Amino acid sequence: EAGVTQFPSHSVIEKGQTVTLRCDPISGHDNLYWYRRVMGKEIKFLLHFVKESKQDESGMPNNRFLAERTGGTYSTLKVQPAELEDSGVYFCASSQGGTRAAKNIQYFGAGTRLSVL
Amino acid sequence: GQQVMQIPQYQHVQEGEDFTTYCNSSTTLSNIQWYKQRPGGHPVFLIQLVKSGEVKKQKRLTFQFGEAKKNSSLHITATQTTDVGTYFCAGKTSYDKVIFGPGTSLSVIP
Repeated sequence: EAGVTQFPSHSVIEKGQTVTLRCDPISGHDNLYWYRRVMGKEIKFLLHFVKESKQDESGMPNNRFLAERTGGTYSTLKVQPAELEDSGVYFCASSQGGTRAAKNIQYFGAGTRLSVL
Repeated sequence: GQQVMQIPQYQHVQEGEDFTTYCNSSTTLSNIQWYKQRPGGHPVFLIQLVKSGEVKKQKRLTFQFGEAKKNSSLHITATQTTDVGTYFCAGKTSYDKVIFGPGTSLSVIP
C-alpha cells in the first residue's frame, strides 16, 4: 500500500512568488491534515479536511494560504504571495477516520521543504 | 488556548543510558500518540494510548498515559545510536483536534 506522498520534496522560490504544494493521502483515508514545522520548532497544525470539506482551518496563518481538496482525494496548499517567514517544512498526514481510535492514527508524508528567499 | 508541552527540549545521553521525555496537556485528552522524527525525516507513528493509566511497551520503549489523561511519558531503556531523533507527543482533544508538543530532541553519544 502506498503511503502519503508529497510533491515537490523541496521548493526554492523568491519572495512574492506563488508556490503550490501537493499531497496524495493513503487511498481510502477520509481525513487529510496539513502541518508546518518552522526552523526546527514544533509541528503546527494548519488545516484538517474530512473528504472534500474543511473541518478545521483554524491553524491557517493568513489569507495568503489556500488549501483545497477537490473530490476528496489529493489536496493542494497554495501560498500566494510567499513571504520569508513562510519558509519551513510542510507536512501532510492522513488518517482513515471513524470512531475507533486505531482509525485515527495519522500517517505522515515526507514533507515539502519550502525556502523563500 | 489548548497547549501540549514537552520536556526536556533537548537531551544528550551516553549510549546505554536511559532517557525519558514527558508530555503535559492543559486539557484532558481523548488519546495521545507518539511520533519519532529522524534527522531530515518525517514524523513516524510509534504508538497510541487511549485508556487512563495505560502502559504499553515496544522493546526498549515504555509509554505511559496518566490517570487524568493529561500527561504521558516515553521512556527508553539503554539507549542506542539508532534512537537519535526528535520525539513528539500529539494529543487528541475532545474537539477532535490533534495538538503536537514541541518535541524532545535526543542525541546519543557513542
